[in-house]
Amino acid sequence: DAEITQSPRHKITETGRQVTLACHQTWNHNNMFWYRQDLGHGLRLIHYSYGVQDTNKGEVSDGYSVSRSNTEDLPLTLESAASSQTSVYFCASSDGIAVDTDTQYFGPGTRLTVL
Amino acid sequence: SQQGEEDPQALSIQEGENATMNCSYKTSINNLQWYRQNSGRGLVHLILIRSNEREKHSGRLRVTLDTSKKSSSLLITASRAADTASYFCATDAGGGKLIFGQGTELSVKP
Repeated sequence: DAEITQSPRHKITETGRQVTLACHQTWNHNNMFWYRQDLGHGLRLIHYSYGVQDTNKGEVSDGYSVSRSNTEDLPLTLESAASSQTSVYFCASSDGIAVDTDTQYFGPGTRLTVL
Repeated sequence: SQQGEEDPQALSIQEGENATMNCSYKTSINNLQWYRQNSGRGLVHLILIRSNEREKHSGRLRVTLDTSKKSSSLLITASRAADTASYFCATDAGGGKLIFGQGTELSVKP
């Protein structure tokens, strides 16, 4: 069955370190998204991609970057981790074909703690 | 900034009762979607309603949309303990990007 996976599921790192969170989908979806979820803020969009070599900034992109070298993967990199980036990160994908009825499939999340 | 605001933030009911959650948004939309999140898990899509639709049903779920008031409601009928979760509305204003509300935490007591 097609799925979307994230790794690692839990990560503890130190302030200033570079961290990369992996997202892999086997749906063959064009669109991929990264969100962070914090208490009191719901889900906020960090970056998104409509296809290979395409990346776009979301609402809270400062301090994060992504790259899309193939259809299946959209890794999220924290250039220099800060305590404010402690959060739960979700990756999602959608096929992007039916533009009026596009729905997203979510990964299980990565809980990141920055000390 | 968040597009959707949900009400109530938390709701506690008994099994068998109906649960109603409301969502308001600010800008024009292509569609509005509802997602469920069980504790510690990713979000799961429940139902989508297009901007030209007023009501939609799926099993025990009923969604309404009032574009003149920029609001939507999700009704879960005959709630079960397994419905305990957080529920989020999300609006698609174009490009497949979703803007999520802060969610309603539903607790269904057996």
